[in-house]
Amino acid sequence: GNSVTQMEGPVTLSEEAFLTINCTYTATGYPSLFWYVQYPGEGLQLLLKATKADDKGSNKGFEATYRKETTSFHLEKGSVQVSDSAVYFCALSPMNRDDKIIFGKGTRLHILP
Amino acid sequence: DAGVIQSPRHEVTEMGQEVTLRCKPISGHDYLFWYRQTMMRGLELLIYFNNNVPIDDSGMPEDRFSAKMPNASFSTLKIQPSEPRDSAVYFCASSFPGSDEQYFGPGTRLTVT
Repeated sequence: GNSVTQMEGPVTLSEEAFLTINCTYTATGYPSLFWYVQYPGEGLQLLLKATKADDKGSNKGFEATYRKETTSFHLEKGSVQVSDSAVYFCALSPMNRDDKIIFGKGTRLHILP
Repeated sequence: DAGVIQSPRHEVTEMGQEVTLRCKPISGHDYLFWYRQTMMRGLELLIYFNNNVPIDDSGMPEDRFSAKMPNASFSTLKIQPSEPRDSAVYFCASSFPGSDEQYFGPGTRLTVT
């Protein structure tokens, strides 16, 4: 079946550090892949997405590349800010839209000033 | 657009009482999702609808939980009777036709004492 595995947190970094949050998936065919972000006290919001192999999604300085050969969609940012402190969720949407979206368990990120 | 609207934002009730959570999706969206989020279990999909019809309710934990979508602009999640282990944040999300991106509401924090 479909599944998403992301690195456990919390991840603690200093401001301006480089960020990587790993995400790998298992799925048939070519699912769409997403990163969602949840700030304290809020609902999840879409951060970026990619719909086919080698696509790169980007937003707010974050990037992730859809790697079919390694079934990965790692989230990266070159220089994090305190305001990036949040929980990040990797997600997979199967090709069949009536199959439910699968979310990872989330990775909590703390950025220290 | 106002986004997905959920009410109430906070609910505190005693064990055994009936609880009704409400959701208004974004106008024009055809999918509606109910999620539950806890520290222990993370984000769980409870049920989702397409054009007001329930598609998959396999995530509903037990018969105490029920959900309805009487029209395209309103959905309810009911718990009867409520138990302390139902304490969680409940999110509603919606997506527009042809898209697999979900838009989340701010959530309802439920506390059952």
